[in-house]
Amino acid sequence: GAVVSQHPSRVICKSGTSVKIECRSLDFQATTMFWYRQFPKQSLMLMATSNEGSKATYEQGVEKDKFLINHASLTLSTLTVTSAHPEDSSFYICSARSAGPSGKVEQFFGPGTRLTVL
Amino acid sequence: KNQVEQSPQSLIILEGKNCTLQCNYTVSPFSNLRWYKQDTGRGPVSLTIMTFSENTKSNGRYTATLDADTKQSSLHITASQLSDSASYICVVSAYYDMRFGAGTRLTVKP
Repeated sequence: GAVVSQHPSRVICKSGTSVKIECRSLDFQATTMFWYRQFPKQSLMLMATSNEGSKATYEQGVEKDKFLINHASLTLSTLTVTSAHPEDSSFYICSARSAGPSGKVEQFFGPGTRLTVL
Repeated sequence: KNQVEQSPQSLIILEGKNCTLQCNYTVSPFSNLRWYKQDTGRGPVSLTIMTFSENTKSNGRYTATLDADTKQSSLHITASQLSDSASYICVVSAYYDMRFGAGTRLTVKP
């Protein structure tokens, strides 16, 4: 099946620093990628939707200046958490959408990135 | 109000037993329904996907059912294994808008 990778898998940083998370679709082209955040024992919450070559669409309540998303190619999207604070500590998951062999739209999730801000 | 409700919130069963997880939704218009398995600290992995016309889909020991009239789905796990311990998330799509349930946390004990 299709594979989506994320890097790094976990990161610990000091408060005030910026952290970049990469999301790659390894064997397919994804015109649309999604970024989710998941707090412990809670469901995934969509942060933003990004389309290759255009600006990301952010969900209500998500600060676009704090969570910078760049979808530079059909296989790569990055999420940069700027000036991270402890409350940004969370599990960040990306997802990539593709059309499968039968034409059915599929969405595949990355393994997630655990961010801990000290 | 969440448009996808899952029950139970958590479940503990003994290894080898069967169990059924429920998903009720109000998402409209309906496009498809997916069940995902999410291990702790990992991203969700797709188990099944069903469209409006499909009322059952199997993937090994996992069998999902869908009743589009009552807007209910279930995920049945047969002969549970320790590795089945995870969160199971029901996701309902209205075209390209995906709505996530809160998940059911399943623990399989030896």
